[in-house]
Amino acid sequence: QVQLQESGPQLVKPSETLSLTCTVSGASIRDYYWSWIRQPPGKGLEWIGYIFYYGTTNYNPSLKSRVTISTDTSKNQFSLKLASVTAADTAVYYCASYSGSFNYFDYWGQGTLVTVSS
Amino acid sequence: DIQMTQSPSSLSTSVGDRVTITCQASQDISNHLNWYQQKPGKAPKVLIYDAANLEIGVPSRFSGSGSGTYFTFAISSLQPEDIATYYCQQYDNVPYTFGQGTRLEIK
Repeated sequence: QVQLQESGPQLVKPSETLSLTCTVSGASIRDYYWSWIRQPPGKGLEWIGYIFYYGTTNYNPSLKSRVTISTDTSKNQFSLKLASVTAADTAVYYCASYSGSFNYFDYWGQGTLVTVSS
Repeated sequence: DIQMTQSPSSLSTSVGDRVTITCQASQDISNHLNWYQQKPGKAPKVLIYDAANLEIGVPSRFSGSGSGTYFTFAISSLQPEDIATYYCQQYDNVPYTFGQGTRLEIK
């Protein structure tokens, strides 16, 4: 059973960098594409980007200048950094696996609410 | 970016009703469309992939159809546990994009 768990600060100040980590269990980080998706309170879903374990990344152009996704194969984790945050970045952040075989997000973390506020 | 327009945005319905949701893409995406169910406080869960394929373990009352730019999602007989928000998502082009969601409510 594949499980994903997000971790990181729940409160970030404006202009600072949001940093989250997703720990994967039940699968190797080498097995899938790994994505971050966010959902502002009461709103819809926005794909942030994905990474394949050897470093291939693809980011949403709307966030590309501020986003970095990376992997740590030794810890079976992948991470999100979002720079220069504003209140508009307040959202529930989900990590998810993307099955290249079936082209959908199959396993998700429970989500973590990150609030941007001073 | 490919825009996904879902309709309706909310739907008040009764147990046993047939529910239909539509999703229109701003350009041809073939059958590169998935449908997700999201319950309050939970992560989305895929129900339908490649426009019409039922994910393993998903009840057969759920179905999907369509190709190109127009897609439909249906629940043949609504059950109480189906109360949720439903999203379409295209994977034809990056950035992957979602519809704005359809929230189901019980009358």
